Amino acid sequence: ELKVEQNPLFLSMQEGKNYTIYCNYSTTSDRLYWYRQDPGKSLESLFVLLSNGAVKQEGRLMASLDTKARLSTLHITAAVHDLSATYFCAVDITGNQFYFGTGTSLTVIP
Amino acid sequence: DTAVSQTPKYLVTQMGNDKSIKCEQNLGHDTMYWYKQDSKKFLKIMFSYNNKELIINETVPNRFSPKSPDKAHLNLHINSLELGDSAVYFCASSQPGRRLFFGEGSRLTVL
Repeated sequence: ELKVEQNPLFLSMQEGKNYTIYCNYSTTSDRLYWYRQDPGKSLESLFVLLSNGAVKQEGRLMASLDTKARLSTLHITAAVHDLSATYFCAVDITGNQFYFGTGTSLTVIP
Repeated sequence: DTAVSQTPKYLVTQMGNDKSIKCEQNLGHDTMYWYKQDSKKFLKIMFSYNNKELIINETVPNRFSPKSPDKAHLNLHINSLELGDSAVYFCASSQPGRRLFFGEGSRLTVL
């Protein structure tokens, strides 16, 4: 059974600090996605990582993919309150089969 | 123009009732999905349709029946609702190898 695990599940961090969220998956895939979900809202796509070594950056967020280690990271630089949300990674194993991670609930404290 | 739209947004119903959720996408995508998000925010794939054909049917009780009348629509019908069915149901669509686009979600509460 495919497992997609995120670490940590809950993260409380101070504004201005850096932190990394980890996403481990149990099967071969070279397509990994990151999504953001605000409370009571839908999921919004953040990053698409389509090959080993892919790195994408948008503002204070940077995502990377290591397909050999089956690991993706989402790095937060100098956190601000607006980044408070739940972040999900998702693995696509066939081109149209998406399995989501457990989610990381991030709270940025002033 | 909403890319993926679901109706209704909220459903409150009694145990044992039957309910349906409708989903439409105007993105021209080939694949549509239903996901269930529980109270702990876990997102679980339920069904996936590609060009009206069922391609994923995860271990979902057969009280749940998806129907895809055409490529742009995927509806979810739930029979004999149980308390454990309370969740937010998300419809999504994608093209092969591309990211998912989600609807706004339908919050189902079973009393």
